[in-house]
Amino acid sequence: QVQLVQSGSELKKPGASVKVSCKASGYSFTTYAMNWVRQAPGQGLEWMGWINTNTGNPMYAQGFTGRFVFSLDTSVSTAYLQISSLKAEDTAVYYCARERNSSGWSDFQRWGQGTLVSVSS
Amino acid sequence: NFMLTQPHSVSESPGKTVTISCTGSRGSIARSYVQWYQQRPGSAPTTVIYEDNQRPSGVPDRFSGSIDSSSNSASLTISGLKTEDEADYYCQSYDSGNWVFGGGTRLTVL
Repeated sequence: QVQLVQSGSELKKPGASVKVSCKASGYSFTTYAMNWVRQAPGQGLEWMGWINTNTGNPMYAQGFTGRFVFSLDTSVSTAYLQISSLKAEDTAVYYCARERNSSGWSDFQRWGQGTLVSVSS
Repeated sequence: NFMLTQPHSVSESPGKTVTISCTGSRGSIARSYVQWYQQRPGSAPTTVIYEDNQRPSGVPDRFSGSIDSSSNSASLTISGLKTEDEADYYCQSYDSGNWVFGGGTRLTVL
């Protein structure tokens, strides 16, 4: 069955970097784009952008340029989200999500379990 | 920027029907499909409605979605409310190459 399994919770100090992984299984990894979604504590869902898993080309939503980097390792069917120069306001649960249709712009049918990134001195 | 506006919270009694609205800030909400997600505390969201009014397998037919072009809104209706329906609900659509989520609605079944 299709699964997205994310790496575990992280506690980081301000200014540090973090890399969250999202390992896909049960389907052809390069057939579906991978999206990233942020959810700050007690807040709603915020789409961060997506990465074309076939070409590796990322697309970042407004507000997620500069310190946020999407990348892939297709040999292990894994997508990554790296955040640099962490700030307290980056504290959130980060989800990877795959769409229903490989052609894109369909609902996020599959989600990872989420990775909590906490930033505190 | 395109925005989707939802009521912050709604509440209703078990067995009743509730409707959650999702209003687009501009343009025609009917131009792009609307999705609805249910999120329980501590869990990832799951789809309850996709492509305006389609139910994924496993989602009961108590859940339905619709579009009202006249008010530029989408709606999620849940009939025969159960206590297990208590959750946060998010609408989602896309505009100019970007996915957009509504702010979410907390449904309380009391």
